[in-house]
Amino acid sequence: GENVEQHPSTLSVQEGDSAVIKCTYSDSASNYFPWYKQELGKGPQLIIDIRSNVGEKKDQRIAVTLNKTAKHFSLHITETQPEDSAVYFCAASITGNQFYFGTGTSLTVIP
Amino acid sequence: DGGITQSPKYLFRKEGQNVTLSCEQNLNHDAMYWYRQDPGQGLRLIYYSQIVNDFQKGDIAEGYSVSREKKESFPLTVTSAQKNPTAFYLCASRQLGQGNQPQHFGDGTRLSIL
Repeated sequence: GENVEQHPSTLSVQEGDSAVIKCTYSDSASNYFPWYKQELGKGPQLIIDIRSNVGEKKDQRIAVTLNKTAKHFSLHITETQPEDSAVYFCAASITGNQFYFGTGTSLTVIP
Repeated sequence: DGGITQSPKYLFRKEGQNVTLSCEQNLNHDAMYWYRQDPGQGLRLIYYSQIVNDFQKGDIAEGYSVSREKKESFPLTVTSAQKNPTAFYLCASRQLGQGNQPQHFGDGTRLSIL
């Protein structure tokens, strides 16, 4: 089955700096890649997603890039704010029915 | 508001006891999922269902059971056969038939052993 690896596991940045989280996947058939933000005691919330026919997608301060050849995709958060502090998960899906998740990145934005 | 409701938020299980976690959605989604979340391990799939009265095992189904008698409901039973049930359990739903669509999650149930 699909295997998704996520790095780093923890990340601390100063407020206003950028944060980058990277994921790699093993199955070249994967074609959908969502990113989720999880706050303490809550369920994950979708923040952005990308499909395999697109190389980059941006939504305000958040962007995702996809390199199908290298089988990796990355989340970029610019101008970080304290409320961006949370755990972020990447995921990959082949059929759209089963999703394979990374192990999460705990992001801390230092005011 | 449309969404996914999980209850209870906290649950305690005694040795040898079965417990049931509730998941209800009013999004009219076809598919529903149960995940287990442990520290540092991401989300692992327990069971999923694409249609009423049908469901499939995920990667870690042993010690768990589910039912899907109604489209909006997908309860998970943690049986006494699950020897390490302490975890955060997440329910999700997703619409089918419109290309790739994301999963929507509830706020979870934290299960602990007494």
